[in-house]
Amino acid sequence: NAGVTQTPKFQVLKTGQSMTLQCAQDMNHNSMYWYRQDPGMGLRLIYYSASEGTTDKGEVPNGYNVSRLNKREFSLRLESAAPSQTSVYFCAGETGVAETQYFGPGTRLLVL
Amino acid sequence: TQLLEQSPQFLSIQEGENLTVYCNSSSVFSSLQWYRQEPGEGPVLLVTVVTGGEVKKLKRLTFQFGDARKDSSLHITAAQPGDTGLYLCAAPPGVEGSRLTFGEGTQLTVNP
Repeated sequence: NAGVTQTPKFQVLKTGQSMTLQCAQDMNHNSMYWYRQDPGMGLRLIYYSASEGTTDKGEVPNGYNVSRLNKREFSLRLESAAPSQTSVYFCAGETGVAETQYFGPGTRLLVL
Repeated sequence: TQLLEQSPQFLSIQEGENLTVYCNSSSVFSSLQWYRQEPGEGPVLLVTVVTGGEVKKLKRLTFQFGDARKDSSLHITAAQPGDTGLYLCAAPPGVEGSRLTFGEGTQLTVNP
């Protein structure tokens, strides 16, 4: 099993460009999450999906959109990137509510 | 205001020393998780504690959940360079069905 995978690993964008971060899991997780991690800020929840076909806003959703394409895949889209979105983005899967979360390796995004 | 306060924020010690890091809150939790995040990787679950006063050991790591289930500590005995990483605590807020919330973490560096 690959677990939780994320692509790309690194990305540099110019202000105003768009991109989609991909996340896939083969662990049969019902819930999937997108976090951003900034120095001194811990993990902040952007969006989550409790099940296929549902998505909900987290703590910091502005500037992002998500799609739960199927049970395996959960993508995060930046429509018009801003320097404030420079961060490390983690996707995670979870089988039940507030149970163990399994994280991907992260995508490091730099917006110039 | 962080729901989970971790201290210290940074800790740099020599190999062989002992250390304790803390995770505190004014809220009561049904359970609490500890994760370790190594450089360039996503967080990985170390342990979950669910009972007030519970103590769990994982080799040189000892985890304790406070009697009132509002706080937790992680003690490392004879730290090794391989223990270097970001230690995160996480817990679900008291409202049923709530998602995990993470503390900001303690960045531990163990020098050879």
